[in-house]
Amino acid sequence: EAQVTQNPRYLITVTGKKLTVTCSQNMNHEYMSWYRQDPGLGLRQIYYSMNVEVTDKGDVPEGYKVSRKEKRNFPLILESPSPNQTSLYFCASSFGVRAEAFFGQGTRLTVV
Amino acid sequence: KQEVTQIPAALSVPEGENLVLNCSFTDSAIYNLQWFRQDPGKGLTSLLLIQSSQREQTSGRLNASLDKSSGRSTLYIAASQPGDSATYLCAATYNFNKFYFGSGTKLNVKP
Repeated sequence: EAQVTQNPRYLITVTGKKLTVTCSQNMNHEYMSWYRQDPGLGLRQIYYSMNVEVTDKGDVPEGYKVSRKEKRNFPLILESPSPNQTSLYFCASSFGVRAEAFFGQGTRLTVV
Repeated sequence: KQEVTQIPAALSVPEGENLVLNCSFTDSAIYNLQWFRQDPGKGLTSLLLIQSSQREQTSGRLNASLDKSSGRSTLYIAASQPGDSATYLCAATYNFNKFYFGSGTKLNVKP
């Protein structure tokens, strides 16, 4: 089954404790991206990747890191999480920005 | 600046009614427009993708149209069912490597 898998689905952590949210797709997509969804602000892009070893900032990259060492994986790293990073996070993939996008089920992160 | 707007923010209709959800975008130079469905606490499910060269796409009871000149897309849902209750999001893509999302229309179909 074609899918984008995120883990964990839910996470509660404390300020400053490094964490990684994993994202994996099984569709051989080149393009992958991360979004956060907040009430009243909608979905905003954090980072995107056009292919392996090619990443770039989106609209709200501060406080986040990404890497793309393999085509199928695109982890989101929060080196020192803060409460303002409490949000619902989505990973997406597609064959390109013009192609149909597939989203993961989301990761609800709470930073206390 | 690319902006995508969805009106209304919420809609409640009785079961069986045909309905139209609206999406407008400020920049007509889009590559494509995609409609998604989001259930509470869940991810986004792709419903329809319309390329810039297309006027409409259909899937089952859903029909999406695209009018680039007026900066509008509509999602038509025929014979609505309670299972259609969800938030519907539209997203436009341009030559900027990202999706520009509307804020969504929350649909409630009453039995």
